[in-house]
Amino acid sequence: GAGVSQSPRYKVAKRGQDVALRCDPISGHVSLFWYQQALGQGPEFLTYFQNEAQLDKSGLPSDRFFAERPEGSVSTLKIQRTQQEDSAVYLCASSWGRAGLGTGELFFGEGSRLTVL
Amino acid sequence: GENVEQHPSTLSVQEGDSAVIKCTYSDSASNYFPWYKQELGKRPQLIIDIRSNVGEKKDQRIAVTLNKTAKHFSLHITETQPEDSAVYFCAAGGGSQGNLIFGKGTKLSVKP
Repeated sequence: GAGVSQSPRYKVAKRGQDVALRCDPISGHVSLFWYQQALGQGPEFLTYFQNEAQLDKSGLPSDRFFAERPEGSVSTLKIQRTQQEDSAVYLCASSWGRAGLGTGELFFGEGSRLTVL
Repeated sequence: GENVEQHPSTLSVQEGDSAVIKCTYSDSASNYFPWYKQELGKRPQLIIDIRSNVGEKKDQRIAVTLNKTAKHFSLHITETQPEDSAVYFCAAGGGSQGNLIFGKGTKLSVKP
């Protein structure tokens, strides 16, 4: 597609449920980022891939959060045993190269809004 | 790791006035500083960016300045219009970690 696509757009989960959020980056983009955006806050960095390699996962809040990008394209963010504080919009972004080294813009998806009851 | 501070958190101006938003960063290795605009319920979109080899960049009514020595950069919007109303985020990256760290945002309101 022409842009970054995320699914589902909205997800309601009961506390303790596992969820999986999908990101389809722009074709050919090397770098893929996941951010968590709470209401009224800036995007908080979660993790970053360059092709299939997860180069930085320092932002993942706990071991309940796991991300993968096995073939260097589509990525999935999985949250196990969801808790209320996980409620947020999860944004995926991609860029054609490594952030900061001539790549320019990060292109964001519309986000997946997760509500944990 | 990188830490980005952004001020003010809210800014209200009259249509036609200028608006200035300031950010500071901590990682001296950062070399890429974009600004994103996010309208309510929508995705962040890049409006302007600057690299560490220049001190200023302009694009019509918006400009960004960078002071690497002081580790701060600013967004300037002139002749503001109601459609400029949105949340603006600064970010810093390209340093040792390769990721992009965002500030907490500035909600700009332009009153007609």
